[in-house]
Amino acid sequence: EDQVTQSPEALRLQEGESSSLNCSYTVSGLRGLFWYRQDPGKGPEFLFTLYSAGEEKEKERLKATLTKKESFLHITAPKPEDSATYLCAVSGGSYIPTFGRGTSLIVHP
Amino acid sequence: DTGVSQDPRHKITKRGQNVTFRCDPISEHNRLYWYRQTLGQGPEFLTYFQNEAQLEKSRLLSDRFSAERPKGSFSTLEIQRTEQGDSAMYLCASARGASASTDTQYFGPGTRLTVL
Repeated sequence: EDQVTQSPEALRLQEGESSSLNCSYTVSGLRGLFWYRQDPGKGPEFLFTLYSAGEEKEKERLKATLTKKESFLHITAPKPEDSATYLCAVSGGSYIPTFGRGTSLIVHP
Repeated sequence: DTGVSQDPRHKITKRGQNVTFRCDPISEHNRLYWYRQTLGQGPEFLTYFQNEAQLEKSRLLSDRFSAERPKGSFSTLEIQRTEQGDSAMYLCASARGASASTDTQYFGPGTRLTVL
């Protein structure tokens, strides 16, 4: 059974204070690792898909990286509008993504 | 706005009543997914369709839950004899790709269900 553990559960940063979110996973044959952003009361918004260890993708202040056991979402010089819950999901042998519980990020001005 | 719409956005019902939710996916997307999300949890897979065929159902989906996607367009999710434990956000997502395992899923805004 695919498993995803995200840490920390919650993170508070000052504006401009860079940090990283972690997604540890156990999957039988990784097919894809996905990062989503979710604002309160809304559906998740797609950010990145990573397919193999060593792959990296960037979008504005966000950079996602992947190893064989975990993925990191690096946030560089965050702004208050980056405040959200960041969800990680993996798909493997079951084909259907398994989501983690998310990391709630608050960026203070 | 991803282009996926869900209706209604909020539903309050009494225990034992039946409820039905609708999802309209992005028009050219052939796969449609339903998830349930409770506070502090990630989305939990319920079922998915490829065109009009329901290909997979979570073992968590009891016989009180049924989903349809007639003609491979919109989809409905019905919950019969609702229970307080059914209170959650119900999310719909659509996708178009070579494989369900690598789909980029576009989520709708969700339907918030409260069972009293």
